Amino acid sequence: KAGVTQTPRYLIKTRGQQVTLSCSPISGHRSVSWYQQTPGQGLQFLFEYFSETQRNKGNFPGRFSGRQFSNSRSEMNVSTLELGDSALYLCASAIDPDSLLEAFFGQGTRLTVV
Amino acid sequence: AQSVTQLDSQVPVFEEAPVELRCNYSSSVSVYLFWYVQYPNQGLQLLLKYLSGSTLVKGINGFEAEFNKSQTSFHLRKPSVHISDTAEYFCAVSDRGSTLGRLYFGRGTQLTVWP
Repeated sequence: KAGVTQTPRYLIKTRGQQVTLSCSPISGHRSVSWYQQTPGQGLQFLFEYFSETQRNKGNFPGRFSGRQFSNSRSEMNVSTLELGDSALYLCASAIDPDSLLEAFFGQGTRLTVV
Repeated sequence: AQSVTQLDSQVPVFEEAPVELRCNYSSSVSVYLFWYVQYPNQGLQLLLKYLSGSTLVKGINGFEAEFNKSQTSFHLRKPSVHISDTAEYFCAVSDRGSTLGRLYFGRGTQLTVWP
């Protein structure tokens, strides 16, 4: 079956713009989590969604937001982009957040802010 | 919040040599523990996980890890590495009171295998 699909794979934006990243989970998976990966901070949790509800949120400013649709696809939005937002954004999906089965990661969206 | 420390940022080894990648975590409460591998320009792939039971966990690609509760460690080992094992390895922790959707990651260990 198809894995976690993140689009686009690469993105270049300028400071001050906003961006929307998309994540389509594995079919049947209803839990989606987002992570930011940077050389300086490593992998940091952004948020987690299940059944269209945000269950957890990491320590990021309000410029970072997300949502999940009824088909479990998720989007994250970053407004007023800053240079420091340049990162690899990873999405992970799981059957449900309390399952003991693994979370599967997508290949990520590489965002470059110039 | 959890804190995960990967003690070595880079580990160079020769092919067919054994390797150990070290990981310590901060929590004294029960946790779930994971090791992930990341190849260049790729996402994360689960190598193995400890949820409960035997403290020695076997994963894919010949890797294994041992959970040591008293030392709050979860070191990853492989008896004989291949060049294809060259990648970045991440240790991760999830609180048992939390959900698997929220993982705390270490800063990663770059494993480089030389011929």
